[in-house]
Amino acid sequence: AQKVTQAQTEISVVEKEDVTLDCVYETRDTTYYLFWYKQPPSGELVFLIRRNSFDEQNEISGRYSWNFQKSTSSFNFTITASQVVDSAVYFCALSEAGYGGSQGNLIFGKGTKLSVKP
Amino acid sequence: GAVVSQHPSRVICKSGTSVKIECRSLDFQATTMFWYRQFPKQSLMLMATSNEGSKATYEQGVEKDKFLINHASLTLSTLTVTSAHPEDSSFYICSARGAGGWPGELFFGEGSRLTVL
Repeated sequence: AQKVTQAQTEISVVEKEDVTLDCVYETRDTTYYLFWYKQPPSGELVFLIRRNSFDEQNEISGRYSWNFQKSTSSFNFTITASQVVDSAVYFCALSEAGYGGSQGNLIFGKGTKLSVKP
Repeated sequence: GAVVSQHPSRVICKSGTSVKIECRSLDFQATTMFWYRQFPKQSLMLMATSNEGSKATYEQGVEKDKFLINHASLTLSTLTVTSAHPEDSSFYICSARGAGGWPGELFFGEGSRLTVL
C-alpha cells in the first residue's frame, strides 16, 4: 500500500528562521514520483517540485531546498530564512508510475501547517 | 503551463438541492480527471477518477449516486452533488492529466468551496 506521512501537523517559526518539513513515504513500486505542494489560505494548490525515484540529487530553488533519501524513504523540504508569505499548508505527495485506473493520481500526506510570524 | 479552471469557486446552497461544479482544461486535452475532497484542516482525498467517454471509477466509500461525475469531453468534467446535505460541505478540487503526461503530472483547478445550509 502506498502512504505518505507528514508527522508535523503544525510548525510555528519566527521570520528568518530556517524550517524543515518532514515527509516519509511508503511504496512497493520501484518507479514513483514525489511532490511538494503549497496550499495558501485561498485554497489553490501551488506546485513546488517533482522528483522521480531514480533521481536522488538534492535540489535548491532560491530559499527552498529538498533532500530526497531513498534509504530512509524521505523527501524533506527546507525553507531557509523563512518569510511571512511562506505561511501555508504544505503537502507532500506520491504518485505511482502506472496509467491505468486511478494510477497516476496523487496520494497526499496530511499536510503541515507552517506559520511564520514577523 | 497548463491551466485548469474550476467553477464556481464558492457556492452556498440549501439542504436538498443539487450543485454542479465544472472543471475545464483550458489549453490541453484532459484524458483523465481526478476529483478530490478536502475537509477543513485535512488532506486531499481522492473521490473518483474519470476518463473521457467512460464511467467514473469511484474510491471506496464514495457514493456514486450522490456524487455524479461526467467527463463528456476532453476539456470538461463535472461533479454534481445531488441532494446536498450539510455534511457534504467541503472543498472540492479537480485535477487533470493530458495524454502523454507523465504519472502524477496533474494540473489542479482552483477548488470549489461548497457550503450546504
